[in-house]
Amino acid sequence: DAKTTQPPSMDCAEGRAANLPCNHSTISGNEYVYWYRQIHSQGPQYIIHGLKNNETNEMASLIITEDRKSSTLILPHATLRDTAVYYCIVSYRGKLIFGQGTELSVKP
Amino acid sequence: DVKVTQSSRYLVKRTGEKVFLECVQDMDHENMFWYRQDPGLGLRLIYFSYDVKMKEKGDIPEGYSVSREKKERFSLILESASTNQTSMYLCASSSPLGWGAFFGQGTRLTVV
Repeated sequence: DAKTTQPPSMDCAEGRAANLPCNHSTISGNEYVYWYRQIHSQGPQYIIHGLKNNETNEMASLIITEDRKSSTLILPHATLRDTAVYYCIVSYRGKLIFGQGTELSVKP
Repeated sequence: DVKVTQSSRYLVKRTGEKVFLECVQDMDHENMFWYRQDPGLGLRLIYFSYDVKMKEKGDIPEGYSVSREKKERFSLILESASTNQTSMYLCASSSPLGWGAFFGQGTRLTVV
């Protein structure tokens, strides 16, 4: 079973920041938090991952709470091409169990 | 760029046929995975492999087997295809060191 909880859907205005939350209250000490997204009819795409510290790359930022029980993926300037299903996954050694994810709709 | 290549994008097979879905990765990753994706059910893990000749069952292994004779190649086998195995099949590979997995483009299998 997936060990994360995400809202089923969210809207975001184009050009604004998209903040996608994820709860993972049962995360264990050696599990990473991963974020993927899937654009319709394509395979999932890796976005970012983290263990304890906040992370940033060219695609997004990942904010992990100090107790590691929740995290937020931030797309700083959402575009229409960011419309996708976003999955938050906790994993040790790379085994990925997907939940239902959040369907993000970026609107003009 | 990392490449995970699945042998077919679309496949149509008959009920009862033995079906092989092939996946090759070029990143020397230890981990490889097979998922199926169905509307309303999301991505479900069928099998995964942590190393050559090693495999573990995922959430829905029934009706499937796998083979990993070489590090770069992971095959999913449907011993006797059935119509309820009509689905999108996705292969992925990753390093166990915590980095993200990379997915192939998927094989849409139709069993008639």
